[in-house]
Amino acid sequence: AQTVTQSQPEMSVQEAETVTLSCTYDTSESDYYLFWYKQPPSRQMILVIRQEAYKQQNATENRFSVNFQKAAKSFSLKISDSQLGDAAMYFCAYRRSPMNYGGSQGNLIFGKGTKLSVKP
Amino acid sequence: DSGVTQTPKHLITATGQRVTLRCSPRSGDLSVYWYQQSLDQGLQFLIQYYNGEERAKGNILERFSAQQFPDLHSELNLSSLELGDSALYFCASSVAGTSGRLVEQFFGPGTRLTVL
Repeated sequence: AQTVTQSQPEMSVQEAETVTLSCTYDTSESDYYLFWYKQPPSRQMILVIRQEAYKQQNATENRFSVNFQKAAKSFSLKISDSQLGDAAMYFCAYRRSPMNYGGSQGNLIFGKGTKLSVKP
Repeated sequence: DSGVTQTPKHLITATGQRVTLRCSPRSGDLSVYWYQQSLDQGLQFLIQYYNGEERAKGNILERFSAQQFPDLHSELNLSSLELGDSALYFCASSVAGTSGRLVEQFFGPGTRLTVL
């Protein structure tokens, strides 16, 4: 079974600075997808960024980027130029490839989350 | 707004009772997923439906059941409620994606269940 581990329950960053959130996962599959979700106090789950395991290039979305190390099974999220609105819970998630899921779209497997605080 | 709606937003009930949570997926989405978010268990997958049929089960208790109707909305039924069932219940939906291409799951706002 696949598992996702986020070893940092809480992190703090100064506004405008850079912070990196860690995530490791365990799987025996070679094709899969990884995600970072943001959950602000409103509790809405918001997709931040995603990475397809077969792609070597790290995904980037504006101020958010990932460092995907497939051999190490590591998937960290870097937030640059942190803003007050970035304060939230961040969840790392794994999803099996449809090729390993009977051609269908599978469920997400989440880590426990990292609570990010942004100091003004 | 993700396009996924969930009702009710909040639900307060007593132990031993039964409740029904409702989810309407985005227009055209055939897959519906239910997740439970609690303080001790984190975010857990409960069950998935695809075009009216059960597709996958996760850590769903036998006291819980779900179904997806012909109009594709889904209901999660929780019975014999216990204090530990207090949680935020999310519904998410996605298109079929049968080509094998990854498609995104869109989450609803959740239903906050409090069992007293």
